[in-house]
Amino acid sequence: DAGVTQSPTHLIKTRGQQVTLRCSPKSGHDTVSWYQQALGQGPQFIFQYYEEEERQRGNFPDRFSGHQFPNYSSELNVNALLLGDSALYLCASSRSPGLADQETQYFGPGTRLLVL
Amino acid sequence: DAKTTQPTSMDCAEGRAANLPCNHSTISGNEYVYWYRQIHSQGPQYIIHGLKNNETNEMASLIITEDRKSSTLILPHATLRDTAVYYCIVRVAIAGGGADGLTFGKGTHLIIQP
Repeated sequence: DAGVTQSPTHLIKTRGQQVTLRCSPKSGHDTVSWYQQALGQGPQFIFQYYEEEERQRGNFPDRFSGHQFPNYSSELNVNALLLGDSALYLCASSRSPGLADQETQYFGPGTRLLVL
Repeated sequence: DAKTTQPTSMDCAEGRAANLPCNHSTISGNEYVYWYRQIHSQGPQYIIHGLKNNETNEMASLIITEDRKSSTLILPHATLRDTAVYYCIVRVAIAGGGADGLTFGKGTHLIIQP
């Protein structure tokens, strides 16, 4: 049973560029959440996708956008990159709707983005 | 979601039980307590969660006080590989509804000493 996978593992971009990160959820999961983790901090929630729509969003600007495909995989896009966007980007998948016990989020290994 | 308070760091000897406390004094009746851990540069790993009863799985035990204002994660026989940052998260759970984003604090850095 494959877990959550993310690609690429590492990425280097320059300021002003755009980046796309990818996530495949755990088998049987239909919901994908994205998080940003700066060095020394806990992960911060960016947004969540379910049924190909953004269902909930954290406190992130519109430069951060996403997409979910019919096979439940997801992309995170960041436009006009800033130095402060350098972080570990984490994807988590879950199964919903359903009872709370079925909605545990499982995380992938992350994509480390460095903006120069 | 209710806020949680955890010690910044803790040490534990290898082979001993590691007891990680978490305060969540403003927890509501429909909020679960979740624990995750993150080993350096990896994604967070789910450990365990509970509502009001104590829970145990192959990784750990979760003890929730009767008033639900605090909890303790117990790793029964800590090994060097248990060195990680441990996050206690309180999360609203809506049966039949949608999941929501997790709110992480800074967690407890648990160091297992040989």
